Amino acid sequence: SYVLTQPPSVSVAPGQTARITCGGNNIGSKSVHWYQQKPGQAPVLVVYDDSDRPSGIPERFSGSNSGNTATLTISRVEAGDEADYYCQVWDSSSDHPGVFGTGTKVTVL
Amino acid sequence: QVQLVESGGGLVKPGGSLRLSCAASGFTFSDYYMSWIRQAPGKGLEWVSYISSSGSTIYYADSVKGRFTISRDNAKNSLYLQMNSLRAEDTAVYYCARSARDSSGYHYWGQGTLVTVSS
Repeated sequence: SYVLTQPPSVSVAPGQTARITCGGNNIGSKSVHWYQQKPGQAPVLVVYDDSDRPSGIPERFSGSNSGNTATLTISRVEAGDEADYYCQVWDSSSDHPGVFGTGTKVTVL
Repeated sequence: QVQLVESGGGLVKPGGSLRLSCAASGFTFSDYYMSWIRQAPGKGLEWVSYISSSGSTIYYADSVKGRFTISRDNAKNSLYLQMNSLRAEDTAVYYCARSARDSSGYHYWGQGTLVTVSS
């Protein structure tokens, strides 16, 4: 089955840039979606289809996807960005196609 | 506004059954694909099951195949997850989520319902 690998944690100072990677075999051929989850809350979609943002999501959140790595970039990090982040794809070649990444805890120093 | 409200969670003994429901409102339910996603305490997100807008296409994670059944009633704007032969490792918060197509992201999520499997 398809596996998405994320770093367990990323630390960043306020105002700096956080980059969260999501590795998967030829992930560049798939649409990647990113979710933010704060403690006790349901996940929130922050980037879909590699690089699009839902309405209400700040422009500070951006995404890219190529080769074997997709990346979520958070620019000008704020304290409120501290959360768990998950990537997700749909593996249409599988009979269990929904796949989430392992998750990354972003800590704002 | 779009709302997804899960219900039916609770405490159940190993080997028992539970039926989760997800009530949808604020959109044309029959136009959208739906999924169940769960999160064990302190763990990451795990995709569980998917059903197409008409109900004609269904997928399951290997971990639940043969034990869980997803269904929907478009006339009642409701999604269901019948869970049988429950195990301790099924303990999790279960979310229903909406997508515009199978490969699109989940733009809307419910608040989740907690299922605890314990003797």
